Amino acid sequence: GAVVSQHPSRVICKSGTSVKIECRSLDFQATTMFWYRQFPKKSLMLMATSNEGSKATYEQGVEKDKFLINHASLTLSTLTVTSAHPEDSSFYICSAVSGSHNEQFFGPGTRLTVL
Amino acid sequence: RKEVEQDPGPFNVPEGATVAFNCTYSNSASQSFFWYRQDCRKEPKLLMSVYSSGNEDGRFTAQLNRASQYISLLIRDSKLSDSATYLCVVRRPGQNFVFGPGTRLSVLP
Repeated sequence: GAVVSQHPSRVICKSGTSVKIECRSLDFQATTMFWYRQFPKKSLMLMATSNEGSKATYEQGVEKDKFLINHASLTLSTLTVTSAHPEDSSFYICSAVSGSHNEQFFGPGTRLTVL
Repeated sequence: RKEVEQDPGPFNVPEGATVAFNCTYSNSASQSFFWYRQDCRKEPKLLMSVYSSGNEDGRFTAQLNRASQYISLLIRDSKLSDSATYLCVVRRPGQNFVFGPGTRLSVLP
């Protein structure tokens, strides 16, 4: 299957700081990338859909000014958690879909801990 | 009603057992169906796509029943390494992927 990388894999930060997470498709061009969040023992929750060159579409209840998404190229999308607070601590996972695939390929995830 | 529903389990089965999971979806426009597995603290990994005629991959068999809007996954000869959460995923044409809550499987020695 296709390869998607995510960086960093783990981050610990102080409350009030901003954290940027990168998601890259390494061997294909991703027309669409998705950002998910997963709390312990809970389901994956879609946060937003990111299409290259256009504004992200956010799911209901997800603050677009707090979770900034940029999909500037066909291989890179970034999620910035602004002014992070302890309740933002979670497992953030991106996935990518290419135009020729109907499957989504997941990055390894980023574990965010806000102190 | 949630768009994709699964029995959360856990299913605790002995090694070598056969176990089946079901998943129901509410949107009849859904056209693509998948099973993913997710290990603890890891990302989901595609197990198999589900085709209308049903498909098999080794010990795993997936079935789709469009009339009843459910998908099934059968695992034969369970291994300890099959212990994971199994996620049912559906997609409407051109739309997002919708994940079920997952079914936890524990295969016991």
